Amino acid sequence: KNEVEQSPQNLTAQEGEFITINCSYSVGISALHWLQQHPGGGIVSLFMLSSGKKKHGRLIATINIQEKHSSLHITASHPRDSAVYICAVRGQNFVFGPGTRLSVLP
Amino acid sequence: DADVTQTPRNRITKTGKRIMLECSQTKGHDRMYWYRQDPGLGLRLIYYSFDVKDINKGEISDGYSVSRQAQAKFSLSLESAIPNQTALYFCATSDSGVLQRGQETQYFGPGTRLLVL
Repeated sequence: KNEVEQSPQNLTAQEGEFITINCSYSVGISALHWLQQHPGGGIVSLFMLSSGKKKHGRLIATINIQEKHSSLHITASHPRDSAVYICAVRGQNFVFGPGTRLSVLP
Repeated sequence: DADVTQTPRNRITKTGKRIMLECSQTKGHDRMYWYRQDPGLGLRLIYYSFDVKDINKGEISDGYSVSRQAQAKFSLSLESAIPNQTALYFCATSDSGVLQRGQETQYFGPGTRLLVL
């Protein structure tokens, strides 16, 4: 069974700071997803990665398949980025990390 | 209108009661999933269905059952609820056709908060 770890568990940042959230997994995968869970509970998919790097607005996601590691970066963070960010890996099924709770203070 | 809906959104029940959580989707996806989320833990898979006639147990299926009434509907039942089934439950869908291009994404419902007293 794939084990998915995320760091840090909790993160507090000041508005404008550059943020990095890390994800590591134990077994080879076909794809990795980054999800955002809003304070109200809703979950949306941000990125799907199988290699390299993707960028969407202020969000950048990278993956290193050999090292079994992915990072999610947020540039110029804003209070509306406050959420739980979840890493999920796709093998036979999806396996989810425990999430990183991000709070961005104004 | 939301593509994936769950009813009810909140439910309080007592130990031993049977309850059903319902999920409907308008995305036309063939695959549907039920997850539970507990504080500090990742989403865990309860059951999944790749087709109306294909139902599979997930990581934590004990105490739960499911029914895929149609491609668009997937229900989760707790036959005799117990307090440690108190959690946030999510339904999700995905499209197997996209999987072949490596672009499969899951789409989540808004979640159901269940409290078992």
